[in-house]
Amino acid sequence: QKEVEQNSGPLSVPEGAIASLNCTYSDRGSQSFFWYRQYSGKSPELIMFIYSNGDKEDGRFTAQLNKASQYVSLLIRDSQPSDSATYLCAVSNYGQNFVFGPGTRLSVLP
Amino acid sequence: GAVVSQHPSRVICKSGTSVKIECRSLDFQATTMFWYRQFPKKSLMLMATSNEGSKATYEQGVEKDKFLINHASLTLSTLTVTSAHPEDSSFYICSAIDGTPPLHFGNGTRLTVT
Repeated sequence: QKEVEQNSGPLSVPEGAIASLNCTYSDRGSQSFFWYRQYSGKSPELIMFIYSNGDKEDGRFTAQLNKASQYVSLLIRDSQPSDSATYLCAVSNYGQNFVFGPGTRLSVLP
Repeated sequence: GAVVSQHPSRVICKSGTSVKIECRSLDFQATTMFWYRQFPKKSLMLMATSNEGSKATYEQGVEKDKFLINHASLTLSTLTVTSAHPEDSSFYICSAIDGTPPLHFGNGTRLTVT
């Protein structure tokens, strides 16, 4: 059974702080890793994807991947109240078999 | 690019009736589309994988006779909830891949069965 685990939260951070979201996965064959943001009542929207070990930065977001530890994280710098949402980690094996984690609820306090 | 359109966004129906939800890839061809279901404050649950020109692959525990999936063209997949009951009330979301990952999601359909 392929599994993706996330802390359900809620994770509360003050505005302007760094939010750190973590995800672990069980399938060592996973090749692609994604972070989606989902606002309440809306469908998920892609934030970032990462395929290689290391860091990938896009604006205030940084994805970090460590395949040896089967760990992927998302850092949000200068957190804003508008970042308050549920963040879903997803892993895939060559575009097949997408597996989603349960999501972490992030609350950015003004 | 890679826009997935889902319709309707909201639907209310009476118990015993059927509801059809459409999922379209607007600017790409999708040989595979995925249908998810999500209950409030819960994660996405994959219901089935829709393959163009062939039968859908359903996840364990999903009734194929209740949730009919048709993927007749490279840009359209439909999910029909047959003989809907209140317990079928949920948020249904489709997604598709434009050749390579990531998944692109439609805006979802909020189904309420009264």
